Amino acid sequence: DIQMTQSPSTLSASVGDRVTITCRASQSFSSWLAWFQQKPGKAPKLLIYKASSLERGVPSRFSGSGSGTEFTLTISSLQPDDFATYYCQQYKSFPYSFGQGTKLEIK
Amino acid sequence: QVQLMQSGAELKKPGASVRVSCKTSGYSFTTHGISWVRQAPGQGLEWVGLINVYSGNTNYAQRLQGRVTMTRDTSTSTVYMDLRSLRSDDTAIYYCARSDWLDFWGQGTLVTVSS
Repeated sequence: DIQMTQSPSTLSASVGDRVTITCRASQSFSSWLAWFQQKPGKAPKLLIYKASSLERGVPSRFSGSGSGTEFTLTISSLQPDDFATYYCQQYKSFPYSFGQGTKLEIK
Repeated sequence: QVQLMQSGAELKKPGASVRVSCKTSGYSFTTHGISWVRQAPGQGLEWVGLINVYSGNTNYAQRLQGRVTMTRDTSTSTVYMDLRSLRSDDTAIYYCARSDWLDFWGQGTLVTVSS
């Protein structure tokens, strides 16, 4: 099974900051990684699929990169609406798995 | 527009079973699998399983193997998740989502297991 480890668990940042969240996989694979944003009381929202493809309607300040065992989600300039919890998910092989989440807080 | 509409909240006793439904619309049902994800209170996301709605083939999380079954009804574009022998740690919001990469989500169904 592929284990996904996200870091950091919590991130404090300010509006306008550039932030990066990392997801490390226990086995190497290319592309089959998604990133989600979740706000309290809401279903998660897909941001990035296939590691770097921006989902339709998602602002371009979000970007994804990586392959092998290290993947990153970058927000180029934080906006007030971006403070939420973020998850990565691998869909390379069953059982699919999520990272434990990164809570992005206002500094 | 793509929509996934889930059944309502459930309160079950330990040892009972629950069925959660996910009715889809706005796309061709058999072109995308349906995944299930759960989230215990205050916790992260946990992948539960996936059904290929074209073939009916399923894949489940190991820890739920033997207690979970996913089925589909192509005539109503609906997917079902059955979970048996419920325990208190099955208390969670259960989400259905389209495809392997979860591009569209249902609103979630709270399943509470309590005596």
